[in-house]
Parts: sequence; C-alpha cells; structure tokens
Amino acid sequence: DSGVTQTPKHLITATGQRVTLRCSPRSGDLSVYWYQQSLDQGLQFLIQYYNGEERAKGNILERFSAQQFPDLHSELNLSSLELGDSALYFCASSVAQGVREQFFGPGTRLTVL
Amino acid sequence: ELKVEQNPLFLSMQEGKNYTIYCNYSTTSDRLYWYRQDPGKSLESLFVLLSNGAVKQEGRLMASLDTKARLSTLHITAAVHDLSATYFCAMEARNTGNQFYFGTGTSLTVIP
Repeated sequence: DSGVTQTPKHLITATGQRVTLRCSPRSGDLSVYWYQQSLDQGLQFLIQYYNGEERAKGNILERFSAQQFPDLHSELNLSSLELGDSALYFCASSVAQGVREQFFGPGTRLTVL
Repeated sequence: ELKVEQNPLFLSMQEGKNYTIYCNYSTTSDRLYWYRQDPGKSLESLFVLLSNGAVKQEGRLMASLDTKARLSTLHITAAVHDLSATYFCAMEARNTGNQFYFGTGTSLTVIP
C-alpha cells in the first residue's frame, strides 16, 4: 500500500458525460501527478500540482482539467467523454523538494460506452 | 520530441538466467526512475538514480545510469518467477518543467 488513495476504483459512463476522479496523496506529500494509461498510448503524464498550484503540464486534453485543494487532495475532471478516454487513470504523489520518487495510487478504471 | 525507449518490449526468460532491460532517453537528464507494475495493479517504485554512474541494487535487480550515453539499464540476475511483471523506466526532464516521461514498458515473463 503506497499510502495514496483514489476513488472511485471503477467508473462506467456514457459518451458526452462528465466525471470527477479523486486522489488523496500520502501524508506529507505536497505534489500530486495525474497519469493516463491505455494500451495504445502507454503511460502518459497529464498534469502535476504542487501545494495547490499547477507545476507542470503534459499531454492533457482541453476537455480535462484538474485542481489541488488546500487539504492537498486533487481532482481530475474529464468532460465531453469519448470512447478513446477509456483508460486507467493513476494519481501519484511525491515530496516537494529534491528527489521526486513518485508513489502511485491504485488507479481508477474509466470505461466510456 | 522527448522520447524514452525501452527494449525489449517483451521478454520471456527461464528461471535462473540473467538479462538486461535497456532504457534510452532523448534529452539531458540526471534523474531516472524504475517502476514495476503487476497485471491489474498500480506502479511500485523500484529505484531512483540521481547521477551519472549511479548504481542501485535490490535483491536480484540492479539498475544503473549513464547520463552521457542517456542510457539506464535494469539487470536481472538469476531470474525467478516472482519477477514476472512489466517494468517501466521514467525520466525527469528538468529542462522542460520537470515533466516525467515514461518508457513503453518491458513485459517480463519468467518461465519455471
């Protein structure tokens, strides 16, 4: 158990809908990262937050957005969902400074029908 | 475009044998991470390599980093079935806002 929690574990929804994925980092970690893992794209970095502020942006679609709240939990919002958005979404956290070894949560499996 | 390439993509090896997984990356970086992922599970951190020449070992796995060659290796010694998993390397690109780029993964199957 990495100490990172994600909810929900599974999510099934329809095209065009909007969903919110939630992540709580390990105690003491200020940075949160979001990743998408799919068979065709592999593991793609989406976005990073540090202590509530966006720190780095990767291959995140405009239909997707994220935020980190004062209690350091983070939410990833996916809207206007398409079939191709079906994937595993991982959240990871790390300490703020120095070596940024990331600890991954169990993931949310999103299925868009 | 920044790339992190791993090879081989698939590796089937017998128990007791040795093998090396290679991770090449396309930009300057002195931070390289290795992760393991079991089927249907999340990623588990294995090694953090922070400088040129860094070598880390844990059990039957040993990782090294050559920043000049932009190459990291994960060496498996005397493989056992429990090592069957997918292994990812990840590079931290400090000159592009500290983004992380993951390799394609190497799916390792150790055959008894």
